[in-house]
Amino acid sequence: GQNIDQPTEMTATEGAIVQINCTYQTSGFNGLFWYQQHAGEAPTFLSYNVLDGLEEKGRFSSFLSRSKGYSYLLLKELQMKDSASYLCAVRRNTGFQKLVFGTGTRLLVSP
Amino acid sequence: NAGVMQNPRHLVRRRGQEARLRCSPMKGHSHVYWYRQLPEEGLKFMVYLQKENIIDESGMPKERFSAEFPKEGPSILRIQQVVRGDSAAYFCASSQGNEKLFFGSGTQLSVL
Repeated sequence: GQNIDQPTEMTATEGAIVQINCTYQTSGFNGLFWYQQHAGEAPTFLSYNVLDGLEEKGRFSSFLSRSKGYSYLLLKELQMKDSASYLCAVRRNTGFQKLVFGTGTRLLVSP
Repeated sequence: NAGVMQNPRHLVRRRGQEARLRCSPMKGHSHVYWYRQLPEEGLKFMVYLQKENIIDESGMPKERFSAEFPKEGPSILRIQQVVRGDSAAYFCASSQGNEKLFFGSGTQLSVL
């Protein structure tokens, strides 16, 4: 089976740094995705990791450790518009984009 | 370049009626996925289609649910004889090959 765990909710202050963790258990691992979803809107792609290490893209970075089944999304210089749900999703070795999503972490950024 | 277009955004049906959800993928994308999101739950894979072919429908209930992606026109997710438990947000996503998914804004289905 597959299991993806991430915290339900987090709060942070504007300008701060926040780290959202995701742990997973799956066979045939073939990549981990992070998506951002504002309430009532489409999930939008943030990052993709398939090899161990850190991928940096502007204010957002994502880290993966395959041996530990662990990833995190790091958001720096938080802005109010970063208040959203952050979805961790795992792809298995099926050859297409059949992703297994966690329940998402609702991030609230306060002034 | 328009993104993934879904309609309607909101759909209200009474128990026993049919629901039809439409999805037009991004231009140039030939792979369509449908996901369902229940309140307080993660997105759940339902079905993966390419033009005129269902590739994987392992996440779709065996009864009342069907999906198609015809040669011309949008992909359709059809739910017959809806029940209250079908109330959810249904998201369509498209990709070109094995690239990342682009999601539509979803259809919120409410069954009365």
